Amino acid sequence: EPEVTQTPSHQVTQMGQEVILRCVPISNHLYFYWYRQILGQKVEFLVSFYNNEISEKSEIFDDQFSVERPDGSNFTLKIRSTKLEDSAMYFCASSEWTSGSFDTQYFGPGTRLTVL
Amino acid sequence: RKEVEQDPGPFNVPEGATVAFNCTYSNSASQSFFWYRQDCRKEPKLLMSVYSSGNEDGRFTAQLNRASQYISLLIRDSKLSDSATYLCAVNSGGYQKVTFGTGTKLQVIP
Repeated sequence: EPEVTQTPSHQVTQMGQEVILRCVPISNHLYFYWYRQILGQKVEFLVSFYNNEISEKSEIFDDQFSVERPDGSNFTLKIRSTKLEDSAMYFCASSEWTSGSFDTQYFGPGTRLTVL
Repeated sequence: RKEVEQDPGPFNVPEGATVAFNCTYSNSASQSFFWYRQDCRKEPKLLMSVYSSGNEDGRFTAQLNRASQYISLLIRDSKLSDSATYLCAVNSGGYQKVTFGTGTKLQVIP
C-alpha cells in the first residue's frame, strides 16, 4: 500500500537555526499538506499546496515558514529561524484531487522537531 | 465555540464493551467528516469517513447528525488493540484544510 514518507524522524536543532523537513507524498497525489502537533495538543493545519503554489495557510504559517516542491517527488517545509515554541511533531499529508469534492488525506509518520 | 470539539476522556472500558464518542462542529457549512485513530506519538490514521446515511465497518459505526452538528463513533466488542486516541476531523468546504478535534482517549482494560 502506498504511503507518505518523512525524513528525518527526529531533528534536534538550536534556537535560531534553519531546518528543512522532508516528505515524499503518495505518487499519484496532487495536494500536499503540513500539519503540526505540539505535545499533548491537537493536530493543527499549517499549509496546503497544489499546482506548485500555496493553496491555503493558517495563522501559524508566518514568514518564518516556507514550503517547496523542489522536484517531482519531494515536498519540504523550511523553518528559517527556529524558536523554542516550534518544537512539535510535524506531519506531512497528501491527497488526490477530485474537482468539486474533498479527498481523504493520508498522513506520514511525522518528524519530531526539538528546538533547544 | 471551538470549531471541532471532543470530550478528551479518558474512556476506560472493559474488553468486549461498547463505547461511543461524540464530536461537535461549529461550522454548519462543513461538508466532509472523518474519524482518525492516533496511537501515542504516531501519525493520525484514517479510521473511516462519515457519510450522511451513516456507515459501518466491522465493529465500527459512524453517524452524522447535520441538524445538531455532531458526528459519532460507536465501537462494539472493544479489543485491547482499540486503545488509542480517536480524532474527529472536519473539512469546511472551499479548501482542502482539515480541522481536528483534540481527540478522545480510549483505554480498553483486560
